[in-house]
Amino acid sequence: GEDVEQSLFLSVREGDSSVINCTYTDSSSTYLYWYKQEPGAGLQLLTYIFSNMDMKQDQRLTVLLNKKDKHLSLRIADTQTGDSAIYFCAEGFQKLVFGTGTRLLVSP
Amino acid sequence: GAVVSQHPSWVICKSGTSVKIECRSLDFQATTMFWYRQFPKQSLMLMATSNEGSKATYEQGVEKDKFLINHASLTLSTLTVTSAHPEDSSFYICSARVRGLASTDTQYFGPGTRLTVL
Repeated sequence: GEDVEQSLFLSVREGDSSVINCTYTDSSSTYLYWYKQEPGAGLQLLTYIFSNMDMKQDQRLTVLLNKKDKHLSLRIADTQTGDSAIYFCAEGFQKLVFGTGTRLLVSP
Repeated sequence: GAVVSQHPSWVICKSGTSVKIECRSLDFQATTMFWYRQFPKQSLMLMATSNEGSKATYEQGVEKDKFLINHASLTLSTLTVTSAHPEDSSFYICSARVRGLASTDTQYFGPGTRLTVL
């Protein structure tokens, strides 16, 4: 079945850029998503990218997609302490398969 | 827009009782709702896909008689955990797929319900 992998943990200083990486196995994925989960809360959709795109930018967020390597990344510019959360990538169309989640810790 | 609510946000119950969790799309119609389960420090696992007016489609390994799903309207789906046991303790999250927008079929998530079975 489909598999989505992420690194477990990332620690950055406030003001730095954060890059969260994700690899997936399903080459037929049409949409890829990034979600943010704060403690004890549901998931907030941050952004998504169509599989025929290489890059998408949305304010501080930049998504890069390398279809050949099945690699997706989320770059957060000027990371703030409020960005501390767990970030999930997900792929799919009607049913989503989620990655393992990356815990981002932003220190002052 | 695209707000999904869940009720209750947390529930504690005794082993053997049944618990109902509601998922509502507040400002849009959702033809499809999804139910996920999340264990501590783990990812979300899809339990079932719920389509309005029809039976839910359960993922492999999910007991349909234990996790009853009803999607009676375009804005409401319910998950009932029957005869709950401590191993059913988890964080249950629903999502709703937006209908009728020009953008992708994006799923919007509820805030989750934490179930603790004693």
